[in-house]
Amino acid sequence: GAVVSQHPSRVICKSGTSVKIECRSLDFQATTMFWYRQFPKQSLMLMATSNEGSKATYEQGVEKDKFLINHASLTLSTLTVTSAHPEDSSFYICSATGTGDRRTYEQYFGPGTRLTVT
Amino acid sequence: AQKITQTQPGMFVQEKEAVTLDCTYDTSDPSYGLFWYKQPSSGEMIFLIYQGSYDQQNATEGRYSLNFQKARKSANLVISASQLGDSAMYFCAMREGFNDYKLSFGAGTTVTVRA
Repeated sequence: GAVVSQHPSRVICKSGTSVKIECRSLDFQATTMFWYRQFPKQSLMLMATSNEGSKATYEQGVEKDKFLINHASLTLSTLTVTSAHPEDSSFYICSATGTGDRRTYEQYFGPGTRLTVT
Repeated sequence: AQKITQTQPGMFVQEKEAVTLDCTYDTSDPSYGLFWYKQPSSGEMIFLIYQGSYDQQNATEGRYSLNFQKARKSANLVISASQLGDSAMYFCAMREGFNDYKLSFGAGTTVTVRA
């Protein structure tokens, strides 16, 4: 099946710094990538949708200047959390689509990145 | 209004028994797809099973089956012969239409399998 990787898997950063999370589709071209945020024991909350070569579409309530998304190529999207604060600590998951299964339109998920802001 | 409703926050099941996880959905689009994902404590989202709105038969994948009742707008997941490794959080999700891949997720159900 399609494989999506995320890097890093865990990151700890100091309050006020920025951190970048990478999401890569390893064996297919991802025309669309999604970024989710998940708090402990809660559901996934969609933050934004990014299409290769165009600006990301952010969900209501998500600060686009805070969470910068760049989908520069068909295999890479990045999420940068700018001026991180402790309340940004969360589990961030990306997913990608674009492979040929037009029956299910399945999203392929990365393993997630656990961000801790101290 | 919630698009996906999972009413069971947590469930316990005895090893080797079957368990049913409830999921109801709300959409006015005649074309939609329903997914179930498993999320173990490691955090990865594992795809389990898919049901399309036009599929005539209930989907099955090994020990997983989906009880699709279109008129009731329910898509319950049945896990047969539960194993200790089935302990995880389970999410029901829906894609509406065929124009984009966006998913709406339910709140999830935590399943704990007891030996």
